[in-house]
Amino acid sequence: EPEVTQTPSHQVTQMGQEVILRCVPISNHLYFYWYRQILGQKVEFLVSFYNNEISEKSEIFDDQFSVERPDGSNFTLKIRSTKLEDSAMYFCASSDLGVSYEQYFGPGTRLTVT
Amino acid sequence: GQNIDQPTEMTATEGAIVQINCTYQTSGFNGLFWYQQHAGEAPTFLSYNVLDGLEEKGRFSSFLSRSKGYSYLLLKELQMKDSASYLCAVPSYGNNRLAFGKGNQVVVIP
Repeated sequence: EPEVTQTPSHQVTQMGQEVILRCVPISNHLYFYWYRQILGQKVEFLVSFYNNEISEKSEIFDDQFSVERPDGSNFTLKIRSTKLEDSAMYFCASSDLGVSYEQYFGPGTRLTVT
Repeated sequence: GQNIDQPTEMTATEGAIVQINCTYQTSGFNGLFWYQQHAGEAPTFLSYNVLDGLEEKGRFSSFLSRSKGYSYLLLKELQMKDSASYLCAVPSYGNNRLAFGKGNQVVVIP
């Protein structure tokens, strides 16, 4: 069964450093998403991406964040200058027909900012 | 905007039935999802309701009442592997985002 993959599974970085989280969505899906989940809290929407551009972003997704689909398979989330409060699990997801359809989540990247 | 409310935790015995409730407020309704999330893992899809009524899928059923802004997930014949957090999520109307509730932690004991 096709699945969303994410790398790395765990990333430790120092405050102020840039990180890039990588995702490979399911190949025939057209909509891609990033979510984050701070430990013990709810899953929060960050951004959705369709047709090579951001279609929606949340208030969390400020200028420190960017997304890119550099080739036909990868989908990346970059945090330019990490803060302590960026420590969270980051999930990538994809769906074939948009937000009202089942989203398939990757296993997540645990980001720890020290 | 969207507002989703779920109770936080419940404990139930193997073989029992539990009902997990979710109330929501949203400007425009575009369906409601239930996801299961085991600790430290990604959410996995359980069900999607867009019309009123009960949808049954094996041991899990989901109910929706649009007029009341209410849904529940029914877990029957509980198994130890059902110990997880159950999240309801509402897609925004006209926007491409999915809003999750805080989730309800179900602990299954022998």
